[in-house]
Amino acid sequence: TQLLEQSPQFLSIQEGENLTVYCNSSSVFSSLQWYRQEPGEGPVLLVTVVTGGEVKKLKRLTFQFGDARKDSSLHITAAQPGDTGLYLCAGDWAGNMLTFGGGTRLMVKP
Amino acid sequence: EAGVAQSPRYKIIEKRQSVAFWCNPISGHATLYWYQQILGQGPKLLIQFQNNGVVDDSQLPKDRFSAERLKGVDSTLKIQPAKLEDSAVYLCASSHQGGPYEQYFGPGTRLTVT
Repeated sequence: TQLLEQSPQFLSIQEGENLTVYCNSSSVFSSLQWYRQEPGEGPVLLVTVVTGGEVKKLKRLTFQFGDARKDSSLHITAAQPGDTGLYLCAGDWAGNMLTFGGGTRLMVKP
Repeated sequence: EAGVAQSPRYKIIEKRQSVAFWCNPISGHATLYWYQQILGQGPKLLIQFQNNGVVDDSQLPKDRFSAERLKGVDSTLKIQPAKLEDSAVYLCASSHQGGPYEQYFGPGTRLTVT
């Protein structure tokens, strides 16, 4: 069983602060996805990274894929209350199935 | 484009009872997934269909869980009999092709087993 560890599990910050969440594994991914999930809803895809060292930006969110394709990070600049939610990373090893990490629950207070 | 539809949204049953969940994927999506998400955890894949065939069901507790996608469109997940530890959100997702890219999730069914 492939494992993905996310850290921190919980994060509570004030509006305007920056934050980084991490996703780590001892295995090499074919690709990695980041999702955001709000209460009562299913996860929504934010980004897919495929190439080692790849950096993708989505407004105030920056996603980085490790050079060895074993880890990834999500950095949020100037967090806003609307960023509150559960952030999930999901790795693909076999080419057609995802394994999800446990998630980082983010709360941004106004 | 309509999203992934799931019903019911909420279900409360007693242990040892049976329950069924329904999912209608996005039109044209060949691949359908069922996930179990226990409170405080990430989703765990239970079963993956490609059209009406099973691609992977290695994490499906087959003594009590079953799933079908008879016509390659909508799908049903059943639990019989339910246990307390089955309390979770059951998420359905679909994607265009067999790969993991661009999985679209439904809102889920929250199951409480008492």
